[in-house]
Amino acid sequence: GAGVSQSPSNKVTEKGKDVELRCDPISGHTALYWYRQSLGQGLEFLIYFQGNSAPDKSGLPSDRFSAERTGGSVSTLTIQRTQQEDSAVYLCASSFRTSGTPREQFFGPGTRLTVL
Amino acid sequence: SQQGEEDPQALSIQEGENATMNCSYKTSINNLQWYRQNSGRGLVHLILIRSNEREKHSGRLRVTLDTSKKSSSLLITASRAADTASYFCATDAYGGSQGNLIFGKGTKLSVKP
Repeated sequence: GAGVSQSPSNKVTEKGKDVELRCDPISGHTALYWYRQSLGQGLEFLIYFQGNSAPDKSGLPSDRFSAERTGGSVSTLTIQRTQQEDSAVYLCASSFRTSGTPREQFFGPGTRLTVL
Repeated sequence: SQQGEEDPQALSIQEGENATMNCSYKTSINNLQWYRQNSGRGLVHLILIRSNEREKHSGRLRVTLDTSKKSSSLLITASRAADTASYFCATDAYGGSQGNLIFGKGTKLSVKP
């Protein structure tokens, strides 16, 4: 079956421009996560969607970052007025989620964002 | 903030040797997971160990968990060149409402043929 897909795989943009990153989770997964990984670093949690609940935005680094998930499926992460420090690989993951303990997450291949 | 911290940061071994990576964390957990990442792209889930488990096996992988020391280890036996990758531990916060995982910075494993 299809895994998590992300697009684009690479994005080069100029400082100050807005970018949109897309994630298609595995069908039937109710939970969707966005992470950011800077070069040689671990994953930094950004935002988490679970079903129809309000998303957990506690990891978003600034108000330039926002995300939405339409119809409980596809998600878009938007970065406005990009800065050079936004350059990183943005990873999306999805999982089954029941109340309580988080399950294993299935990751997409990531979008490598470069802000010039 | 980082929850898990892997040790060592980098490990280089010969094919056929065993590789051991350690992870320490700070708060109580429901479970601990290990992931593998090739070439800085998507992560692949390897194994999940629950807080009431002490050891778990999956193929050439052996994971231990010591909740009293807030630490876990990942052992890869009879390593292969294809095991070259970065390995991350990830934890949830006990009773956490978030559901997201908190990842360490990873151990970069290099297996030389």
